Amino acid sequence: KAGVTQTPRYLIKTRGQQVTLSCSPISGHRSVSWYQQTPGQGLQFLFEYFSETQRNKGNFPGRFSGRQFSNSRSEMNVSTLELGDSALYLCASSPRVDGNTGELFFGEGSRLTVL
Amino acid sequence: AQSVTQLGSHVSVSEGALVLLRCNYSSSVPPYLFWYVQYPNQGLQLLLKYTSAATLVKGINGFEAEFKKSETSFHLTKPSAHMSDAAEYFCAVSDPNQAGTALIFGKGTTLSVSS
Repeated sequence: KAGVTQTPRYLIKTRGQQVTLSCSPISGHRSVSWYQQTPGQGLQFLFEYFSETQRNKGNFPGRFSGRQFSNSRSEMNVSTLELGDSALYLCASSPRVDGNTGELFFGEGSRLTVL
Repeated sequence: AQSVTQLGSHVSVSEGALVLLRCNYSSSVPPYLFWYVQYPNQGLQLLLKYTSAATLVKGINGFEAEFKKSETSFHLTKPSAHMSDAAEYFCAVSDPNQAGTALIFGKGTTLSVSS
């Protein structure tokens, strides 16, 4: 079974631009969540989608948004990039549909550098 | 609100020595607790989880953790370290009453293993 696939793996943007990251979950997984990982703040929850609906949202500004498609693939978008948005963005999928069991399967991440 | 504190951002042990990585949590409800491992340039992998069953939890690669409610701790141990255990380890907590898969992660502990 293929794992969680994230594209692109690396990208460089400049301040003010926007970026879209893509995530394909493990086949059959309907929940997709996104995390931001930085040296200073560690791993922070961005949002989670289940059946094309945002189920949970972390404490990030509105510049960070996401969506999920009917095939469970998900994208996240960051608009008006700031230097502080430089981070590893991790996508995780989960097979569970109820309760917060924390069984997450992570992709290798998309490393964003903002210049 | 929930939070996780990992004591020691860096732990160094010799091959064959005991590994002890400390995690304390704060939660207003009985939590679910997790340990994840991240190898360089990879995503996170679930090591083990506590979901209110047995307080001593065994995970992959010989790791185990004990949930101690009185100490609000969930320390990770391994009797004998191996070179391949060198990685970053994250403790995480979730609210089992909340739908979805949002996890609160600690800042991580980097484990170094010397020969």
